[in-house]
Amino acid sequence: TQLLEQSPQFLSIQEGENLTVYCNSSSVFSSLQWYRQEPGEGPVLLVTVVTGGEVKKLKRLTFQFGDARKDSSLHITAAQPGDTGLYLCAGASGTYKYIFGTGTRLKVLA
Amino acid sequence: KAGVTQTPRYLIKTRGQQVTLSCSPISGHRSVSWYQQTPGQGLQFLFEYFSETQRNKGNFPGRFSGRQFSNSRSEMNVSTLELGDSALYLCASSFKRDEAFFGQGTRLTVV
Repeated sequence: TQLLEQSPQFLSIQEGENLTVYCNSSSVFSSLQWYRQEPGEGPVLLVTVVTGGEVKKLKRLTFQFGDARKDSSLHITAAQPGDTGLYLCAGASGTYKYIFGTGTRLKVLA
Repeated sequence: KAGVTQTPRYLIKTRGQQVTLSCSPISGHRSVSWYQQTPGQGLQFLFEYFSETQRNKGNFPGRFSGRQFSNSRSEMNVSTLELGDSALYLCASSFKRDEAFFGQGTRLTVV
């Protein structure tokens, strides 16, 4: 069974701080996605990483895919209250089937 | 471009009843997937349809079923509802494998 473990589960930080969220698995994935979900809404796709070692930047967010394609990280620089939400990683398993991580709930205090 | 539309947004049903949820994918997307999200189990894959055929199925009982129509719209049905079926049901549409676009979900409450 493929599992994706995210850490930390919960994170409460002050505006302006930096943070990193980790997504780890014992399985290899062909690609990995990061989503952000707000209460009562569906997850919104932030980025997809495909190549081992790949780094992608989206404004203050930096995403990295591990060399072995088993893990990923999301780093947020100078967090803002608008970054608050549930962050989910998801690995592509087979065709169009995604295994979702356990989630990291981030709260950024003004 | 319109996003993924799920109807209804909220639903309250009684144990033993059945329910049908609807999902209209983004125009041009032929793959539609369904997920169940609960606080305890997180997001779990139910099934995926492509061109009216079920290609992938998760580990859910046979009470959960779905179908896809020729216009790519999809429906999900849950029969003999149980209290544990209370969840946010999410539909995602995809044009290519590495991207999934989610709807806002249907919040189902079973009482």
